[in-house]
Amino acid sequence: EIVLTQSPGTLSLSPGERVTLSCRASQSVNNDYLSWYQQKPGQAPRLLIYGVSNRATGIPDRFSGSGSGTDYTLTISRLEPEDFAVYYCQQYDRSPRTFGQGTKVEIK
Amino acid sequence: EVQLVESGGGLVQPGGSLRLSCAASGFSFTSYWMHWVRQVPGKGLVWVSEIDSGGTRTAYADSVEGRFSISRNNAKNTLYLHMNSLRPEDTAVYFCTTLAAPRDYWGQGTLVTVSS
Repeated sequence: EIVLTQSPGTLSLSPGERVTLSCRASQSVNNDYLSWYQQKPGQAPRLLIYGVSNRATGIPDRFSGSGSGTDYTLTISRLEPEDFAVYYCQQYDRSPRTFGQGTKVEIK
Repeated sequence: EVQLVESGGGLVQPGGSLRLSCAASGFSFTSYWMHWVRQVPGKGLVWVSEIDSGGTRTAYADSVEGRFSISRNNAKNTLYLHMNSLRPEDTAVYFCTTLAAPRDYWGQGTLVTVSS
């Protein structure tokens, strides 16, 4: 099983700031099968990034993904009020699919 | 419009059983592998189970192996999760999802509470 470890657990930031979230895999994620999700309270997760760096439909370009092998990053170039949420990475390289434990981005 | 609508959640005693359903519409259900993902309120997302598009191949998280069974009825565009020998730690919101980037669809979830 590929274990995904996200850091930090919580980020306290202000609108307009740049955000960098980390996701480290316990073994290499092949074929760039790594996604990022955003989840707000009471809602289902929303796909932001797939294939490490591809934005899903309708996702603004302030969101970007990068990385390879075992280390991946989600960057939000400039935080908007609607971006305060929990973010999860997820690998779909092999079963069982696994998620990171999440990073909460909260308003400072 | 794509819709995944879960149903069947509720309160059940430890050791009991429950069947969740997920009705799909607005996309080609028969072309997708389908998954169940659960989330304890306030906690993270945990993958539970998957089934291939034809309904022949399945996989489960270790925590539910032998107790849960995933199935689908492609004629009815419906996914199921049969849950037996339920434990308090199975309490969670259960989501059905395609987990198929970029065509990634999720339901709104159904709450299962296991408690006496």
